[in-house]
Amino acid sequence: EAGVTQFPSHSVIEKGQTVTLRCDPISGHDNLYWYRRVMGKEIKFLLHFVKESKQDESGMPNNRFLAERTGGTYSTLKVQPAELEDSGVYFCASSRKTVAASVFSNQPQHFGDGTRLSIL
Amino acid sequence: QKEVEQNSGPLSVPEGAIASLNCTYSDRGSQSFFWYRQYSGKSPELIMSIYSNGDKEDGRFTAQLNKASQYVSLLIRDSQPSDSATYLCAVNRVSGGNEKLTFGTGTRLTIIP
Repeated sequence: EAGVTQFPSHSVIEKGQTVTLRCDPISGHDNLYWYRRVMGKEIKFLLHFVKESKQDESGMPNNRFLAERTGGTYSTLKVQPAELEDSGVYFCASSRKTVAASVFSNQPQHFGDGTRLSIL
Repeated sequence: QKEVEQNSGPLSVPEGAIASLNCTYSDRGSQSFFWYRQYSGKSPELIMSIYSNGDKEDGRFTAQLNKASQYVSLLIRDSQPSDSATYLCAVNRVSGGNEKLTFGTGTRLTIIP
């Protein structure tokens, strides 16, 4: 099966501009996650979709970030306006539907190669 | 205190030896534990998951979990040059359907031929 696909692989924009990242999850995966890694730091959670609904957006840094998943398929993450501190690698991950509220429902998350975002 | 801590390395191990990677976590409610391998510029790739105390073996990889000590480790036997990568420890606490992973900063492993 095809893996998680992210576009573009690299984006360089100037401060104040807008950038939109796209993620295509593995087919059939209801769960879609966005994570970010800034230089020298650990990968950090941004938000979690279950189908088209936002399940958890506690990691979104501020209202300059907008994530959507219309139709429950691919997702976009828009940064508007971009600031210098937004530079980093943005990862998308997907997993199968959670079957039951138990530890065994924790389906492994599969990651894309990421989008490297550079703000000048 | 970081939620998930790993030695950043780099860790250098001779080819054929055992590589030992360690991780501690602070949230006692953590339920699931994962090791990801990441090559430079590539996606984190899941190599092991463990949910219960004890050892779990898969080929040359063994994950060990001790919830009382809040410690999880990864052993790689018969290390190969292709094992050279950054290894990420991630933990998860499923709560109300929220399944976010919390990562450590990763340990860079180099296998010396």
